[in-house]
Amino acid sequence: DVKVTQSSRYLVKRTGEKVFLECVQDMDHENMFWYRQDPGLGLRLIYFSYDVKMKEKGDIPEGYSVSREKKERFSLILESASTNQTSMYLCASYSGYRLEQYFGPGTRLTVT
Amino acid sequence: GDSVTQMEGPVTLSEEAFLTINCTYTATGYPSLFWYVQYPGEGLQLLLKATKADDKGSNKGFEATYRKETTSFHLEKGSVQVSDSAVYFCALKLAQGAQKLVFGQGTRLTINP
Repeated sequence: DVKVTQSSRYLVKRTGEKVFLECVQDMDHENMFWYRQDPGLGLRLIYFSYDVKMKEKGDIPEGYSVSREKKERFSLILESASTNQTSMYLCASYSGYRLEQYFGPGTRLTVT
Repeated sequence: GDSVTQMEGPVTLSEEAFLTINCTYTATGYPSLFWYVQYPGEGLQLLLKATKADDKGSNKGFEATYRKETTSFHLEKGSVQVSDSAVYFCALKLAQGAQKLVFGQGTRLTINP
């Protein structure tokens, strides 16, 4: 079974802190994604990566950056956390063969 | 642009009721269509998918048919159970370009015993 793990289930940070969210997949997938999930808005794509060191902006990249140094790991970085970044963050990797995105359990981030 | 619209929630039903969650989409070309489900405290998991017009996806008693003429992919189940309580997301993937999904806003379903 594909496994996508995220470094924390719950995280509380202060405004202005630099925040790292880590995601690891074990299926050698090339494509990985970061979404944020907010009530009534569904999932919105922040960034995605289609290969090591390759990245593309999604629909809401402002205030975020990403890093993909190894194929299995995709990190989301909040350079200076703000209260409007309080949200659930979901990581996913994509199997082109099965035409399916596999999701991690999510990190609920609270910025105070 | 490309978008997915789901029926407003929350939806509350009694056990063994018939379920329909409406989903319509706007997209260029011929997208693939998906239903994902998110159980409490978990990430999303694929429920079913359809890759071309008139395809029917099915899984765990749920079904959805890709209707090109009405640009719809409604989710149905004949007899729901308490364990079906979850948030359901409709999504599309364009045939060309990046492998990213466009999601609807989600529909929270609660089934009462």
